[in-house]
Amino acid sequence: SQTIHQWPATLVQPVGSPLSLECTVEGTSNPNLYWYRQAAGRGLQLLFYSVGIGQISSEVPQNLSASRPQDRQFILSSKKLLLSDSGFYLCAWSGRTVHEQFFGPGTRLTVL
Amino acid sequence: AQTVTQSQPEMSVQEAETVTLSCTYDTSESNYYLFWYKQPPSRQMILVIRQEAYKQQNATENRFSVNFQKAAKSFSLKISDSQLGDTAMYFCAFMNPSTSGTYKYIFGTGTRLKVLA
Repeated sequence: SQTIHQWPATLVQPVGSPLSLECTVEGTSNPNLYWYRQAAGRGLQLLFYSVGIGQISSEVPQNLSASRPQDRQFILSSKKLLLSDSGFYLCAWSGRTVHEQFFGPGTRLTVL
Repeated sequence: AQTVTQSQPEMSVQEAETVTLSCTYDTSESNYYLFWYKQPPSRQMILVIRQEAYKQQNATENRFSVNFQKAAKSFSLKISDSQLGDTAMYFCAFMNPSTSGTYKYIFGTGTRLKVLA
């Protein structure tokens, strides 16, 4: 069966520090991968999605970036965090023929 | 552009009663998928039910069912025999698969459901 992992689960970082959140998927190949951000009590904002290694599409211009160095690995990064980057970050995957999205457990990021 | 609207920010229901959550969407596409996701306090997103636009029959999963009205672009979720564990935020989502194999999902702003004992 497929599983999706995210780490860390919780992160507290100072303004201006770098960020690296990692997501990996097991049990499937060539998935579509997604990064979302969710503000407290709000909906999901799509940040990035990827249909293959090295292929990244950005939905929202910001100081975040994403990379996909391996088929089942998706990384969200920032060189300098802003206060507004605080939120709950969710990684998700979907298959080519299975149309549901499956979500990881999320990372709660607090920027101080 | 496609949009998804959930007009009920919060709802409550008594345990064992039935509740319906509303969702409307806007699209010019004919081939698409609709989903309801549940996000309990743990914040883990869980798929509740899915509906393919080409299917006229409403999807059902145990106590959860949908009322899919394609012409009206409406996709409501009915929860029967509500349980305390149904307390969560519920998100409606739309996906239109592109020919390139890119699947982008549009989410509504969510409805917070509280089941009362």
